[in-house]
Amino acid sequence: KQEVTQIPAALSVPEGENLVLNCSFTDSAIYNLQWFRQDPGKGLTSLLLIQSSQREQTSGRLNASLDKSSGRSTLYIAASQPGDSATYLCAVRGNFNKFYFGSGTKLNVKP
Amino acid sequence: GAGVSQSPRYKVAKRGQDVALRCDPISGHVSLFWYQQALGQGPEFLTYFQNEAQLDKSGLPSDRFFAERPEGSVSTLKIQRTQQEDSAVYLCASSLVAGVLGANYGYTFGSGTRLTVV
Repeated sequence: KQEVTQIPAALSVPEGENLVLNCSFTDSAIYNLQWFRQDPGKGLTSLLLIQSSQREQTSGRLNASLDKSSGRSTLYIAASQPGDSATYLCAVRGNFNKFYFGSGTKLNVKP
Repeated sequence: GAGVSQSPRYKVAKRGQDVALRCDPISGHVSLFWYQQALGQGPEFLTYFQNEAQLDKSGLPSDRFFAERPEGSVSTLKIQRTQQEDSAVYLCASSLVAGVLGANYGYTFGSGTRLTVV
C-alpha cells in the first residue's frame, strides 16, 4: 500500500520567510501528485497538481516540484504571509480511483 | 452548483444511532469519492462512484458503512449503529472526468461533515 509522509508535522515562521514543505511516498508508480490547503473546519482547496511526467508547477508564490523516481515532492512558499496559515496536505494518485494523503503540515505564519 | 455541497455540516449522534450524510457534487461530475478524516490525520479513502456505479468500496471500514448514488448525482453515506471510532470528518469530492483520463484532472472537495459519536 502507498504510504505518504509529510515533514515537518508543524511549522511556525515569521511573516516574509520563504519555506519548504516536504512530502515523500513509497510507491513511485503514480499518475499525479496534488497539494491541498485545508483551513480549520473547511474542506480541501487544491493548490497545485503535478502530472507524473512533469517536474514542477508554479502558481503565484507557490512552487511544487516532483521527483517521482525518488518518491519526493516539495512545496515552496515564497514570502510567506499570515493568510498562508493552514494545514497543507500532499496526495498522490496511485490509480484513477483514489488519492493517498499524508497527515499534513500545519503552518503558522506569525505577523 | 458551484461547488461540492455536504450536509449536515455537523452531526452529533449517540452511540448505536444510524446516520446519513449527504453529498451534492458539482453538476455533471462523473466521479464521486468519499473520504474519512480523523483528527490530526490526512483523509483516508472510503469509496468511489462512477456515475451510479460503486466501483471501489475497499476503504469502507466495516459492513456498518454503506454508500449509494442511485441516480448518478447526489450520494449518501450511511453509517449504522455508530461507534465512537466513527467520529471523524467525512469529505466528499467530485471530478468531471472518470477513469484513466480522470487521473489527469483535479478534484473538488466539499467542506465535509463533522460526525461526533457520544
